[in-house]
Amino acid sequence: EVQLQESGPGLVKPSQSLSLTCSVTGYSITSNYWGWIRKFPGNKMEWMGYISYSGSTSYNPSLKSRISITRDTSKNQFFLQLNSVTTEDTATYYCARSPRPNWFAYWGQGTLVTVSS
Amino acid sequence: DIVLTQSPATLSVTPGESVSLSCRASQGISTSIHWYQQKSNESPRLLIKYASQSISGIPSRFSGSGSGTDFTLSINRVESEDFSVYYCQQSYSLPLTFGSGTKLEIK
Repeated sequence: EVQLQESGPGLVKPSQSLSLTCSVTGYSITSNYWGWIRKFPGNKMEWMGYISYSGSTSYNPSLKSRISITRDTSKNQFFLQLNSVTTEDTATYYCARSPRPNWFAYWGQGTLVTVSS
Repeated sequence: DIVLTQSPATLSVTPGESVSLSCRASQGISTSIHWYQQKSNESPRLLIKYASQSISGIPSRFSGSGSGTDFTLSINRVESEDFSVYYCQQSYSLPLTFGSGTKLEIK
């Protein structure tokens, strides 16, 4: 069974970088697409980007040049880095798997990241 | 970006009633819409893919319909475990986008 688990700091200071890890078990990240999605307070959901089975990436233009998604295939993990965070980046962050850039059948449990000084 | 508008924002129903939740896209997206249920403190769960395709393990009371710009998620005879928030999401074009959600609550 595919399982995804997010990990990382729950508190980040404004202007710093947010870094999260998604650890995947039961399925190789060298297949399918692996994405990051966040849910803001108030329920708005935002797709942030993905890394594909080949290592190519696609990002939401709303995040401009602040985002980077990378991976470590030897550990079956992929990573999110979001730079220059503000309080508006406070959200629950999810990692998820999709067969193509379409629907997400498998999700991590989510991790709350608060941006505050 | 494709904007998805869900209505109503909140729907109050009695268990046993049947309901329809709406999702409207800002442009035609064929059938590239997917529906999720999210309960408090849980991850979203995929209910329907490509507007009407069922998902293994999802109760048959959930169904979807629509194409183009107008989509509907129907729940036949709502059960107590169904009270949660429902989201639509489009995959017609990047960036992938989500609707703002419909909260299904007990009347």
